[in-house]
Amino acid sequence: NAGVTQTPKFRVLKTGQSMTLLCAQDMNHEYMYWYRQDPGMGLRLIHYSVGEGTTAKGEVPDGYNVSRLKKQNFLLGLESAAPSQTSVYFCASSPTGTSALQYFGPGTRLTVT
Amino acid sequence: AQKITQTQPGMFVQEKEAVTLDCTYDTSDPSYGLFWYKQPSSGEMIFLIYQGSYDQQNATEGRYSLNFQKARKSANLVISASQLGDSAMYFCAMREFRGSQGNLIFGKGTKLSVKP
Repeated sequence: NAGVTQTPKFRVLKTGQSMTLLCAQDMNHEYMYWYRQDPGMGLRLIHYSVGEGTTAKGEVPDGYNVSRLKKQNFLLGLESAAPSQTSVYFCASSPTGTSALQYFGPGTRLTVT
Repeated sequence: AQKITQTQPGMFVQEKEAVTLDCTYDTSDPSYGLFWYKQPSSGEMIFLIYQGSYDQQNATEGRYSLNFQKARKSANLVISASQLGDSAMYFCAMREFRGSQGNLIFGKGTKLSVKP
């Protein structure tokens, strides 16, 4: 049982490049989330999904897009990376919106130069 | 206004002593959950303990207990018998059950250092 996995673990991008972060969960969870963590801050919500085919904006969505074509996968895209997007990105999943459980992936450390 | 406030950027505790990490929250939702996560230097988020707003008793998980004072809107984490491996960042988080998002709202964290 892998839980929540994230690919890649590390990445360095140049300003203006694009990339996609992949989050996968094998627990059949409906809800999935992308957060970012910056130094001295807690995690902040970028986008979320309450089921396959649905996505919505969180607190800090600018510069990111997401897709949830399959229930187990939640993709986070950066179309034109900026240094302000240097951060650690965490994916999480939860069976419902009111569950006591929210499982996190190991994180992706992204540096934009 | 911040929904989760952790007022202690850093804390020191002697090994084998108990320590309390403070957390206050703000919500108008009558139904919510409170979480504590540990983030060691390796970076992963480790779930520690959960308290539902309607739970009558304070949550406990091994050496962790949550001191839930609903009227004061506080949810402090108590770690008993600190160990060197407890040195990490600790985050308090809240999940509001009204609405469809279900995401966690995090505080800025407290860095705990356990001294031998």
